[in-house]
Amino acid sequence: QLQLQESGSGLVKPSQTLSLTCAVSGGSISSGGYSWSWIRQPPGKGLEWIGYIYHSGSTYYNPSLKSRVTISVDRSKNQFSLKLSSVTAADTAVYYCARVSSVFNEVNWFDPWGQGTLVTVSS
Amino acid sequence: QSALTQPASVSGSPGQSITISCTGTSSDVGSYNLVSWYQQHPGKAPKLMIYEVSKRPSGVSNRFSGSKSGNTASLTISGLQAEDEADYYCCSYAGSSTYVVFGGGTKLTVL
Repeated sequence: QLQLQESGSGLVKPSQTLSLTCAVSGGSISSGGYSWSWIRQPPGKGLEWIGYIYHSGSTYYNPSLKSRVTISVDRSKNQFSLKLSSVTAADTAVYYCARVSSVFNEVNWFDPWGQGTLVTVSS
Repeated sequence: QSALTQPASVSGSPGQSITISCTGTSSDVGSYNLVSWYQQHPGKAPKLMIYEVSKRPSGVSNRFSGSKSGNTASLTISGLQAEDEADYYCCSYAGSSTYVVFGGGTKLTVL
């Protein structure tokens, strides 16, 4: 059974870079033609898609975050990562990683999801 | 403001049926049969309940069903149970510029 687990700093100072990693277990990150995504949820609010990395290595980002986001894959460690630069308090959220199924690069569904990790932006 | 519009809350009694709407535009819901629905209990990660408008993943109860008409998708839960009380989010592919949009979420209360 595929499982995803987020890890990284839970507290980031304003203007710094948020860095998170998602470890994939129970399957290879390189198999099945799946893509890998980050989604966040501010406290008490809804879900916001951040971006995903296609199995080919191409990346696709939310236009509202594109200038600050980088998603990468480390196939040797079976994990993928998120970097979000120049953070502000508005970036405080629970960050989830998820596997993506897509059809001809059109996103279909997200499953499974990691348990999520809270990142707080504060000085 | 979310790209897809959902009612903030719905409620129903055990055994009843409820429907949650998800209204988008001709650029997302109306153009693609790539609408999915997620259930989220408090403090938990979202769980996939419906994909491709009306398909259920293995293990999801057949009390959950999905449909779409024009720019509006819907999730129907029949035979409401206490365990269905949760937040529900719709999601749609939105083309090669925007890619993915979520609804603002609907809180389901089982009375």
